[in-house]
Amino acid sequence: DIQMTQSPSSLSASVGDRVTITCRASQSIANALNWYQQKPGKAPNLLIYAASNLQSGVPSRFSGSGSGTGFTLTISSLQPEDFATYYCQQSYSTLRTFGQGTKLEIK
Amino acid sequence: EVQLVESGGGLVKPGGSLRLSCVASGFTFGSYSMNWVRQAPGKGLEWVSTISVNNKYIYHADSVKGRFTISRDDAQNSLYLQMNSLRAEDTAVYYCARDRTSHSGSPYFDYWGQGTLVTVSS
Repeated sequence: DIQMTQSPSSLSASVGDRVTITCRASQSIANALNWYQQKPGKAPNLLIYAASNLQSGVPSRFSGSGSGTGFTLTISSLQPEDFATYYCQQSYSTLRTFGQGTKLEIK
Repeated sequence: EVQLVESGGGLVKPGGSLRLSCVASGFTFGSYSMNWVRQAPGKGLEWVSTISVNNKYIYHADSVKGRFTISRDDAQNSLYLQMNSLRAEDTAVYYCARDRTSHSGSPYFDYWGQGTLVTVSS
């Protein structure tokens, strides 16, 4: 199976900060990498698909980049509603896997 | 509006069985691959199973292979997960999620249900 590793596992930041979350795959996955946001008690919500494509309705402060084994999710200016847990997920393999999550907390 | 509504969760003893359902509306169900994803209490997301259009392809995670079976009934706009030989570690919220395919051919989960809780305990 392809292993996905996110860093950091948790992050404290302030409103207005620029934040970057990294996701690394155990083998090349081309651009088959998606990002999801999850708030407590809610289902995950798609942010970015195919590494860099912003899902419709998602604010433009979210962006994704990378290919091969290294990927990043960037939030350009944190808003109060962005404090949540973020997951990367590979869909290169038919056995899809998620990263362990990055919890973004208010400093 | 796309909606996915799961049901069928509950408390079951180890070794028992349960069948989850997900009813879809707001889109042509038979034209999309569908998935189950689970989340143990306080833990991360784990992909469980995928079923393609026309049942052409079915995939299960190693952790559930041989115990869980995904299926669909396009006439009923419904997705199912038959779970047998349940273990304590299967305790989780189970979400159904719709597949969409990017221009580059890679799939992603674009819509999710609200989830149904399965608790395996004696």
